[in-house]
Amino acid sequence: NAGVTQTPKFRVLKTGQSMTLLCAQDMNHEYMYWYRQDPGMGLRLIHYSVGEGTTAKGEVPDGYNVSRLKKQNFLLGLESAAPSQTSVYFCASSGTDYGYTFGSGTRLTVV
Amino acid sequence: DQQVKQNSPSLSVQEGRISILNCDYTNSMFDYFLWYKKYPAEGPTFLISISSIKDKNEDGRFTVFLNKSAKHLSLHIVPSQPGDSAVYFCAAKEDYTGANSKLTFGKGITLSVRP
Repeated sequence: NAGVTQTPKFRVLKTGQSMTLLCAQDMNHEYMYWYRQDPGMGLRLIHYSVGEGTTAKGEVPDGYNVSRLKKQNFLLGLESAAPSQTSVYFCASSGTDYGYTFGSGTRLTVV
Repeated sequence: DQQVKQNSPSLSVQEGRISILNCDYTNSMFDYFLWYKKYPAEGPTFLISISSIKDKNEDGRFTVFLNKSAKHLSLHIVPSQPGDSAVYFCAAKEDYTGANSKLTFGKGITLSVRP
């Protein structure tokens, strides 16, 4: 199925561990985004990319890094996980039709 | 400071009745508005949108109304069905002509449709 694929779907980390979340899209979209969803907070933008090789900070970038080495992939990294990063992470992409296509999410728990 | 506000966290409606979900915004530069629907354990999916040059857009049971002077939009679902039970996010962006301007989301409202 065409769309946005996120891996993994679930992960439990210990405080201080690192991990990378992978987002892949097959729609040839230029723009990709990483959001986190927390209860009562809605969707908050972490980082985004307007094209291959470019990244920019969003609303809540601290503690995260991203890379867009290939147009179809957008990676979100946590170098030293903290309990405050327990959340559901969504990747999205957009082309020229102004709407976003979201992945199904990654549920991350940091203990 | 939240630029897109969904002040009611939840709404419960009887099946067959109208559901009205409200959204307010503060940024006068916003000129394109979207509603997304989210089921548990799934990503948000696009539902309906409206540009600032319109005051109404209709798609089947879903209608979005925009009042620019009041910086207010609403989503009407008629008739409401149990399958409409989900979280609904209001979103807005500047620069309707530019695909690279980011969406700003509200906190979402949980709609429950009672059979």
